[in-house]
Amino acid sequence: ETGVTQTPRHLVMGMTNKKSLKCEQHLGHNAMYWYKQSAKKPLELMFVYSLEERVENNSVPSRFSPECPNSSHLFLHLHTLQPEDSALYLCASSQERGGVYTEAFFGQGTRLTVV
Amino acid sequence: GQNIDQPTEMTATEGAIVQINCTYQTSGFNGLFWYQQHAGEAPTFLSYNVLDGLEEKGRFSSFLSRSKGYSYLLLKELQMKDSASYLCAVQDSNYQLIWGAGTKLIIKP
Repeated sequence: ETGVTQTPRHLVMGMTNKKSLKCEQHLGHNAMYWYKQSAKKPLELMFVYSLEERVENNSVPSRFSPECPNSSHLFLHLHTLQPEDSALYLCASSQERGGVYTEAFFGQGTRLTVV
Repeated sequence: GQNIDQPTEMTATEGAIVQINCTYQTSGFNGLFWYQQHAGEAPTFLSYNVLDGLEEKGRFSSFLSRSKGYSYLLLKELQMKDSASYLCAVQDSNYQLIWGAGTKLIIKP
């Protein structure tokens, strides 16, 4: 399998549930990202991991908790979400060399609905 | 603040040419990307410009003017499969990507 794979593709969860999104990249990249995509809005960068260390956390509420156990895997743990958190969550990876990042490769996303 | 502007929606005819514009105001500039995103699918990389001028890649070309904070994506010989959203993104001085909201391109027969 190649590229960036996300599971699940679709997720419906209640506001009291706990769930996790999973991302795996097979490109040998050393940087991974979580983005939120809402209709007609720009992609919102949530978290960046470079060499398995979190280097960016763009004021994301604590109900979203990322985990990067190694350079190929990235998780987003979700708990007590709100209906406004319903969106497409995209994972991406790229290669970081001396502070410069190459183009990002995206997974197909998880369509999250909070009810 | 940082800002990327692109039209919300454009319509063009199969076989024709369309130009999608992107203007940006960012703190620093380390390159501009164009991505294509079909409905329900992942964004896919189309082009990267860091120097002024035109980059051509088959039916798609991308132009950059850093002094004007302006780029465009030119699509020639449009095909129905080109119906998608086109996202413009700029890498700022910290190499963080700033994204536009995307332009939805509708191709009519």
